[in-house]
Parts: sequence; C-alpha cells; structure tokens
Amino acid sequence: DAGVIQSPRHEVTEMGQEVTLRCKPISGHNSLFWYRQTMMRGLELLIYFNNNVPIDDSGMPEDRFSAKMPNASFSTLKIQPSEPRDSAVYFCASTHQGQFSEQFFGPGTRLTVL
Amino acid sequence: SQQGEEDPQALSIQEGENATMNCSYKTSINNLQWYRQNSGRGLVHLILIRSNEREKHSGRLRVTLDTSKKSSSLLITASRAADTASYFCATDDTGGFKTIFGAGTRLFVKA
Repeated sequence: DAGVIQSPRHEVTEMGQEVTLRCKPISGHNSLFWYRQTMMRGLELLIYFNNNVPIDDSGMPEDRFSAKMPNASFSTLKIQPSEPRDSAVYFCASTHQGQFSEQFFGPGTRLTVL
Repeated sequence: SQQGEEDPQALSIQEGENATMNCSYKTSINNLQWYRQNSGRGLVHLILIRSNEREKHSGRLRVTLDTSKKSSSLLITASRAADTASYFCATDDTGGFKTIFGAGTRLFVKA
C-alpha cells in the first residue's frame, strides 16, 4: 500500500492567494483527518470526515478554511485568502473506523505564506 | 483543547539508557495511543493500549496505563540514536472518531 498521499509537499505563496492542499487516504479507510502543526500550537485537529461526511469541523480556525471530501479516495483543504499566520505543516491522516482509531499519517504539506 | 499532556517536554539521554515519557489526560477514554514523529515527517503509530489494559509491550517499547490516575507512560529500553524523535500520546473521545494529541516530548539520544 502506498500509504496516505499528500500534495504538494511544499507550497510557498503570497498573502491573499488561494491555497489548495490535497490528500489521498489509504484505500479502504473510511475516516480522514486534517491536522495543522506549528511550534507554537502543536498538532491541531482541523476537521475530520467519516464516510466522506464532515463530522466535526470545530477546529477549522476561520471561514477562510474549507475542506471537502467528494469521494472516499480524495480530500482537499482550501485556504482562501491565505495569511502569513497560516504558515504551518498540514497533515492528512486516515483510519478504518472500528479499529480503535490507529491513524496513518501522510508526509505533510509545508505551507509558507509570505 | 489538548486532552493528553506529556511530561517532560524534552529529554536528553545517552545511547543505551532507558527513556521514560509520561502522559496525563483529563476525561475518560476508550484507548490511548503513542506516536512518534521524526523531524520533518508525519506521525507514526507505535502502540495502542485499551482502557481495560494496564500494560503492553512492543519490542523495546513498554506502555502502562493507569485509568485511576488518568496517566500513561512510555518506556523505551536500551535507547538508540535512531530513537531521537518527538513522542506524542493521543486519546480518543467517547465517540471513538476523534483522536486528540498532546504537545509531545522531544527525545534526544546521544550516541
């Protein structure tokens, strides 16, 4: 299995631009999580999906952030417009519900907003 | 908000020594997990211990869970330089969907 795939691995953009991060979960997994990691705040859960449905988006910081999961094999996290304080590493993780939530993480996308 | 809080925040030891990291949490859990993160990488699952278990082993790893004290510990025996990483504990909410991570312990093993 290829594991969780994220793209791009690195993104540098200017303030005000739209940023789209992509994630392909492990085949057969039906829960997907988006996290943000910074030195100051650690690892924060932004949103998670179960069977493609958003279950809890309370971690999404602002309306500038949105996430979709149109099918079981693809999810996006969009920031529009981006701000310098959005600079962080964004991780996607997936798991198979019922297996006590062992999560498999992708390699992350390092986002820098100038 | 963070459910698990690791202690210490940072730990530096010599290769061959044992490393112990602790995690405390606030509310009832279904299970507790430990993850490792190497610099610049995603988290990797190490071990999961259920709320009805008290101790679990995996290779050089030993995890204990004390639900009465709402705490867990991760012991790495005979540490190696390759064990240098950040270690996170994570707990599930009662629904079992959402896993909440602590701030992590940074372990540095000197060769």
